[in-house]
Amino acid sequence: IAGITQAPTSQILAAGRRMTLRCTQDMRHNAMYWYRQDLGLGLRLIHYSNTAGTTGKGEVPDGYSVSRANTDDFPLTLASAVPSQTSVYFCASSDRTGTEFFGPGTRLTVL
Amino acid sequence: RKEVEQDPGPFNVPEGATVAFNCTYSNSASQSFFWYRQDCRKEPKLLMSVYSSGNEDGRFTAQLNRASQYISLLIRDSKLSDSATYLCVVNMRTDSWGKFQFGAGTQVVVTP
Repeated sequence: IAGITQAPTSQILAAGRRMTLRCTQDMRHNAMYWYRQDLGLGLRLIHYSNTAGTTGKGEVPDGYSVSRANTDDFPLTLASAVPSQTSVYFCASSDRTGTEFFGPGTRLTVL
Repeated sequence: RKEVEQDPGPFNVPEGATVAFNCTYSNSASQSFFWYRQDCRKEPKLLMSVYSSGNEDGRFTAQLNRASQYISLLIRDSKLSDSATYLCVVNMRTDSWGKFQFGAGTQVVVTP
């Protein structure tokens, strides 16, 4: 692995279903982030983690949860998906210089 | 008011021409600044950091104006491959994790 990987690449999901988006990085960055990107709104922070074992809420956390059991993995869970959660989801991590690196994204459609 | 604002464009630029655009930020405590490039809803990729003294990377020049709270990006000798959306990113923190604020992006379309 080089950088950040996300899975799945895309997903169509029925409303009410539970879904976990996976994110793994191999850069040993302490800080990781989940964003959603919607047309005209830019990237909005959902949750973040500044080190393994800790997480925090971002700008739009409702309906999402995260965990950070180790440095490499930062999964995002939608407990009960709703159509307004249709979006492109990007996982990211940042290095000591404060530069952020992004995964390739997951395109999620909730019907 | 959004914390980071950009002109969405599109900026239609003839190949070989120069294009410049700005990004304004509202929080004077912002610590570091970046331009990212994003293609067709793919992941954003770092184009360049923006330093207080201004910096240049090939055909790209970035400037920071703390007094007026804006950063700028200038692209010289535009190439077709420069067509993309350029995201302005502001980091509120100086340690190893960031409080990043993103602009919605400026679309640049370079035409033959």
